[in-house]
Amino acid sequence: SQQGEEDPQALSIQEGENATMNCSYKTSINNLQWYRQNSGRGLVHLILIRSNEREKHSGRLRVTLDTSKKSSSLLITASRAADTASYFCATDASNTGKLIFGQGTTLQVKP
Amino acid sequence: EAGVVQSPRYKIIEKKQPVAFWCNPISGHNTLYWYRQNLGQGPELLIRYENEEAVDDSQLPKDRFSAERLKGVDSTLKIQPAELGDSAVYLCASSPGSSSSYNEQFFGPGTRLTVL
Repeated sequence: SQQGEEDPQALSIQEGENATMNCSYKTSINNLQWYRQNSGRGLVHLILIRSNEREKHSGRLRVTLDTSKKSSSLLITASRAADTASYFCATDASNTGKLIFGQGTTLQVKP
Repeated sequence: EAGVVQSPRYKIIEKKQPVAFWCNPISGHNTLYWYRQNLGQGPELLIRYENEEAVDDSQLPKDRFSAERLKGVDSTLKIQPAELGDSAVYLCASSPGSSSSYNEQFFGPGTRLTVL
């Protein structure tokens, strides 16, 4: 079973534009993580935000978390063609490393 | 530092045949995960190991799937017999594993299984 729902399922933008992806989940969490997956490759960890945090930055990435709405967003600023990939949110409810992934957002950045 | 290694990268088999996947985690990582990823979906956890102990196998279809992590390092996931619905990418991941380090999981490239 998958906890998260991601929105939109697919997103196509021009290089230099910002990309925003949203994730909603169902149960209480300890932390929420975002991963990137390039075509035919494994997943790469991007950023983790804990349940007591509201916003976190890493380079061109900005993640927000609203536990009252059980939702998170990932913003990629000044996108590049190399950002083309699928992006997944994953929740850890018990801080045991047991992640439940969403269905992902496929991002295409056109050069 | 070498990443998570998986083999084979691709496997095509006939239904009802057995198949095995192998994973070598990052050196020193105590926790090892096997996930299944269907096309267009996120990964779903099959089994999680802490060292050689399977601490969560609640989502492993035990009638046909088995896994082992002898000596707490490498791991093998087996399907016997395979069914058409088992076609998917099987991902292995590892993490350091202490309670303060259940943060980032490192994924291998996966094994793409096609059952005909």
